Amino acid sequence: NAGVTQTPKFRVLKTGQSMTLLCAQDMNHEYMYWYRQDPGMGLRLIHYSVGEGTTAKGEVPDGYNVSRLKKQNFLLGLESAAPSQTSVYFCASSQLKTILSYEQYFGPGTRLTVT
Amino acid sequence: AQTVTQSQPEMSVQEAETVTLSCTYDTSESDYYLFWYKQPPSRQMILVIRQEAYKQQNATENRFSVNFQKAAKSFSLKISDSQLGDAAMYFCAYRNNDMRFGAGTRLTVKP
Repeated sequence: NAGVTQTPKFRVLKTGQSMTLLCAQDMNHEYMYWYRQDPGMGLRLIHYSVGEGTTAKGEVPDGYNVSRLKKQNFLLGLESAAPSQTSVYFCASSQLKTILSYEQYFGPGTRLTVT
Repeated sequence: AQTVTQSQPEMSVQEAETVTLSCTYDTSESDYYLFWYKQPPSRQMILVIRQEAYKQQNATENRFSVNFQKAAKSFSLKISDSQLGDAAMYFCAYRNNDMRFGAGTRLTVKP
């Protein structure tokens, strides 16, 4: 059982370049999330999705776009990368918002450097 | 907006001893969940313990327990019989509609 996987694990971009980070989960989870983690800070929510075809903004959405065309995949796009987007990006997924399960399962992270 | 505060950037504990990590949060909601996550150098986020706000009983998972004070909006993590493998960053998190994390506490375990 792979859980949550992220592609790629590392990436270096030049300012102005674009890229897409892919998150995939095989647990049939409804909710998926993208976070960024910067030194000395906890994870901050960028965007999230409560189901296929739906997305919503989190705490720090500017400069990012997302899509959830398939239930198992959640894509994070950077249209024009900036050095301020240098960070470690985590994807997570969770079951429906029920009493029993609010746990999020995290991917291994993607380290992105923008020069 | 909900905020989560971890006032201890770093903590240190002797192996086999007990340590408590602090967390406070701010919310106007009555129904929410609180979590402690562990992040070792591998970067993997690992759920340590979870607390439902509607439950008065403090959650316990083996050597890990919490002191949940809803009125004070406090959610501290106690690690008993600390082990070398407990060394990591620990993040407190609050969840209602979205998820908010504290800045983390780096725990060092001395042999």
